[in-house]
Amino acid sequence: GAVVSQHPSRVICKSGTSVKIECRSLDFQATTMFWYRQFPKQSLMLMATSNEGSKATYEQGVEKDKFLINHASLTLSTLTVTSAHPEDSSFYICSARDSLTGRNTEAFFGQGTRLTVV
Amino acid sequence: SQQGEEDPQALSIQEGENATMNCSYKTSINNLQWYRQNSGRGLVHLILIRSNEREKHSGRLRVTLDTSKKSSSLLITASRAADTASYFCATDATSWGKLQFGAGTQVVVTP
Repeated sequence: GAVVSQHPSRVICKSGTSVKIECRSLDFQATTMFWYRQFPKQSLMLMATSNEGSKATYEQGVEKDKFLINHASLTLSTLTVTSAHPEDSSFYICSARDSLTGRNTEAFFGQGTRLTVV
Repeated sequence: SQQGEEDPQALSIQEGENATMNCSYKTSINNLQWYRQNSGRGLVHLILIRSNEREKHSGRLRVTLDTSKKSSSLLITASRAADTASYFCATDATSWGKLQFGAGTQVVVTP
């Protein structure tokens, strides 16, 4: 079945540093990928839609200069948390859907990245 | 913003019992999907039901969709301890697969 690989699974960084998270679709092409954030015992909140070859679309309230998204190929999207602060600590999850399938198809999720900013 | 509301927020049952959780949403949709998440892990897709479908089955899972009420339900029959997880509904109202998630139901199945 289709697989989305997300790396790293866990990262601890110091305040003020930047962290890059990668999301790869392993056996399908994805012109669009999605980045979510999840706080403990809460649901997934969509942060942004990553579009291959163009700018990402950010949800209301999400700082685009804080969360940089790059979707340079049909199989890779990256999320960079810039100048991280403790309040950025969270679980970040990406998802993708096979671009060649129709609209009524499932999304595949990465394993998630647990970011801890100290 | 999240579109879906789910209830109950938490459900505790014994093995062998059935578990039912409900999801409501606000706008027209193309499809509604149910996902499962084990603690601290990614999401696993369970079932997708299209807006023109009313019921769908997959193994011990049964999903219903009532577009007139903008609601869906997920039934897990003959639950097992391994079914312990959080379950989320997600609605897709776009052509590019953007999902809006419900608040989730935390299910605990005790042996």
